[in-house]
Amino acid sequence: GAVVSQHPSWVICKSGTSVKIECRSLDFQATTMFWYRQFPKQSLMLMATSNEGSKATYEQGVEKDKFLINHASLTLSTLTVTSAHPEDSSFYICSARVLLAGGQENPDIQYFGAGTRLSVL
Amino acid sequence: SQELEQSPQSLIVQEGKNLTINCTSSKTLYGLYWYKQKYGEGLIFLMMLQKGGEEKSHEKITAKLDEKKQQSSLHITASQPSHAGIYLCGADFPGGGNKLTFGTGTQLKVEL
Repeated sequence: GAVVSQHPSWVICKSGTSVKIECRSLDFQATTMFWYRQFPKQSLMLMATSNEGSKATYEQGVEKDKFLINHASLTLSTLTVTSAHPEDSSFYICSARVLLAGGQENPDIQYFGAGTRLSVL
Repeated sequence: SQELEQSPQSLIVQEGKNLTINCTSSKTLYGLYWYKQKYGEGLIFLMMLQKGGEEKSHEKITAKLDEKKQQSSLHITASQPSHAGIYLCGADFPGGGNKLTFGTGTQLKVEL
């Protein structure tokens, strides 16, 4: 399958600082990437859809100014948690959409990064 | 309300036993995806089902999608310790823009 690299895998920061998480598609181009958040023993919650060359689309309830998303190239999307606070501590996972033959007959597959565990002190 | 419900929430089986995990949608879906996750790690893609009545198998794992495209099951035959983990179903709904909605997850433990 396609490889998605996420970095860092683990980060600890002080309250009030900003943290950047990178998501890269290593062997394919991804026009669309997704950012999820996962709380302990819970399912994934979609935060935003990141589109190359345009503004990200955020899900309801997700603060755009808190979680800045940049998708500057076809292989890289970044999520910056600004002015992080302890309640932002979580597991963040990105995914990249792999285009198959395209069209309604061939839905795309999302491949996931390994995730980033953020701890805000 | 949760659009995708998984059952059971957790499962402990003895090595060699068969098991089934279910995923039920409150509405007709476009595509159904099964992923496996080790705690604190990313998701590994297992299978994708799109057509009503479709069935796919990979090694000892078989996934089915019902005709109405609202229910899927994941069946593991002769379970092994390597099958342990969290199984998540994800659905792509019509008009959803390829966004995946995930189920609540099923934690599987395989005892020796």
